[in-house]
Amino acid sequence: DAGVIQSPRHEVTEMGQEVTLRCKPISGHNSLFWYRQTMMRGLELLIYFNNNVPIDDSGMPEDRFSAKMPNASFSTLKIQPSEPRDSAVYFCASSRGSNYGYTFGSGTRLTVV
Amino acid sequence: DQQVKQNSPSLSVQEGRISILNCDYTNSMFDYFLWYKKYPAEGPTFLISISSIKDKNEDGRFTVFLNKSAKHLSLHIVPSQPGDSAVYFCAASGAGGTSYGKLTFGQGTILTVHP
Repeated sequence: DAGVIQSPRHEVTEMGQEVTLRCKPISGHNSLFWYRQTMMRGLELLIYFNNNVPIDDSGMPEDRFSAKMPNASFSTLKIQPSEPRDSAVYFCASSRGSNYGYTFGSGTRLTVV
Repeated sequence: DQQVKQNSPSLSVQEGRISILNCDYTNSMFDYFLWYKKYPAEGPTFLISISSIKDKNEDGRFTVFLNKSAKHLSLHIVPSQPGDSAVYFCAASGAGGTSYGKLTFGQGTILTVHP
């Protein structure tokens, strides 16, 4: 298994532009999670899905952030419009469910200038 | 509202000595705890876990201790090796049901093991 695949690995964009981050979870995992890593808050949960359905998006910072999971093998996190304070590393993770732990992707380092 | 806290941003240890990383939590509904290790430019990887019905779990050089009354857990690495230098995240999960395995992470502790 190739693990959780995220793309792109790095993204540099100008303030105000739309950014789309992509994630392919491990086949057979039914839960998918989007996290943002910052120095101050560590790994911060943004949103998670179970069986492609969004369960909890309370961590999404603003309406500028949106996430979709159109099928079991693909999810996107979109920021529109992007701002410099969105600069961070964004991780996607997938899991088989409770008490199985996560498998993380390698992350997308986003820089908004 | 930080439900999982790692109050030490960094820890420096000599090779061969013990590394002790600490974690505190506030939510009494948490019943499963995990430690993840993260190297630069990589995603976090699972290291070791413990259920709330236990107070200790050991895996080779790594041991996790859980003190439920104090809402505190710790990770011991003995002996520490330079390859253990990484960021360590503590994480906690609530009961099953609607949590779907959602993990709440701490801020992380940077461990540096000096040769």
